[in-house]
Amino acid sequence: DTAVSQTPKYLVTQMGNDKSIKCEQNLGHDTMYWYKQDSKKFLKIMFSYNNKELIINETVPNRFSPKSPDKAHLNLHINSLELGDSAVYFCASSQGQGTIDTQYFGPGTRLTVL
Amino acid sequence: GNSVTQMEGPVTLSEEAFLTINCTYTATGYPSLFWYVQYPGEGLQLLLKATKADDKGSNKGFEATYRKETTSFHLEKGSVQVSDSAVYFCALRGSSGGGADGLTFGKGTHLIIQP
Repeated sequence: DTAVSQTPKYLVTQMGNDKSIKCEQNLGHDTMYWYKQDSKKFLKIMFSYNNKELIINETVPNRFSPKSPDKAHLNLHINSLELGDSAVYFCASSQGQGTIDTQYFGPGTRLTVL
Repeated sequence: GNSVTQMEGPVTLSEEAFLTINCTYTATGYPSLFWYVQYPGEGLQLLLKATKADDKGSNKGFEATYRKETTSFHLEKGSVQVSDSAVYFCALRGSSGGGADGLTFGKGTHLIIQP
């Protein structure tokens, strides 16, 4: 009965490769997010997305692109991976877009770029 | 823009001690405030939240009160246990951005409880 799931849990790859991280939520939520947690545990929003619009944090390189095949999934594609992309990536979802709507997080994907 | 400031720690306490983790924020409008907890090797779990001034969020013995006059949302627990050892994040979601805004997080406070 996992609410927000991500695969893979760990991802080790070489610089320059292209990789994807998958996220699925079974909560019936209509808004999903991607966050990046750096080595100092600092969390920052990368994208938020619902079936109408994508909001991109302007600091995210365009090598990162979210893709949503349906309302329950938001995958993260990363092209030309760089060493600085090494981090833990968290997917989250919420019922609505309002201020009071709680975001529920997945377990995270630890990406290591060698 | 929005920002959250919290003590980074590590904070080390003995079991049954009183816990306070300070959190202050800067935001326009009327944000909602959250505390999330991250246990080792796991994702973030919502601990408690408050959506308007003077609201008190509580869960598992933890409490925090939304103080608009001091722009604070300090986390407290009367008697901590070893199992409370984790990283605690204070976060806000602003009301001024519109659309599917993400959470703005503090840098996290690493709490270590010793038996």
